[in-house]
Amino acid sequence: EIVLTQSPGTLSLSPGDRATLSCRASQSVSGRYLAWYQQKPGQAPRLLIYDTSSRATGIPDRFSGSGSGTDFTLSISRLEPEDSAVYYCQQYVSSLLFTFGPGTKVDIK
Amino acid sequence: QLQLQESGPGLVKPSETLSLTCTVSGGYITSNNYYWGWIRQPPGKGLEWIGSIYYSGSTYYNPSLKSRVTISVDTTRNQFSLKMNSVTAADTAVYYCVRRYPPWELLDYWGQGTLVTVSS
Repeated sequence: EIVLTQSPGTLSLSPGDRATLSCRASQSVSGRYLAWYQQKPGQAPRLLIYDTSSRATGIPDRFSGSGSGTDFTLSISRLEPEDSAVYYCQQYVSSLLFTFGPGTKVDIK
Repeated sequence: QLQLQESGPGLVKPSETLSLTCTVSGGYITSNNYYWGWIRQPPGKGLEWIGSIYYSGSTYYNPSLKSRVTISVDTTRNQFSLKMNSVTAADTAVYYCVRRYPPWELLDYWGQGTLVTVSS
């Protein structure tokens, strides 16, 4: 079973800062199946990034993804107050099982 | 614009069966290459994949839930459903229906979610 670990647990930043979120897999995974989601309080998650670095429709270029193997990163530049949310990485494994990381909370004040 | 909407009881008694339906609008559940699935999120916790289905009826379940879960599809109503039996308090969660796109195994459309509480 592949386990995804996200760090840090919480990130407190200011508007205009850059956020760097980490997602680490317990074993090498396919970048093709690595995605990131944003979830604001009381809302459903929203797809941000898929295939490690491809932005979903309507996602601003302030959001970018990178990585390979076991280490993946979501970067958010020029942080805005509305970027406050929990961010989850997700991996699809060969047994047709989706696995999510525990999430990183980004707090912007 | 594709929309997914969950419906079903918000309260289920322990040991009984949880039943939810997802209605798809703005698109067809029979669209090629798309799968339809369920994700849940216990209050204050992370996301857990439950399973998914293709319009032909092929199903894929989380191994940890497989013995209790059935996902079915009704193409005439453009709906798919989730049944989970023998529920306990640990099954209390917000349940989301989603669209899954296999080429990249992403979840690109989500319902708003429905809270199901398991309590007597």
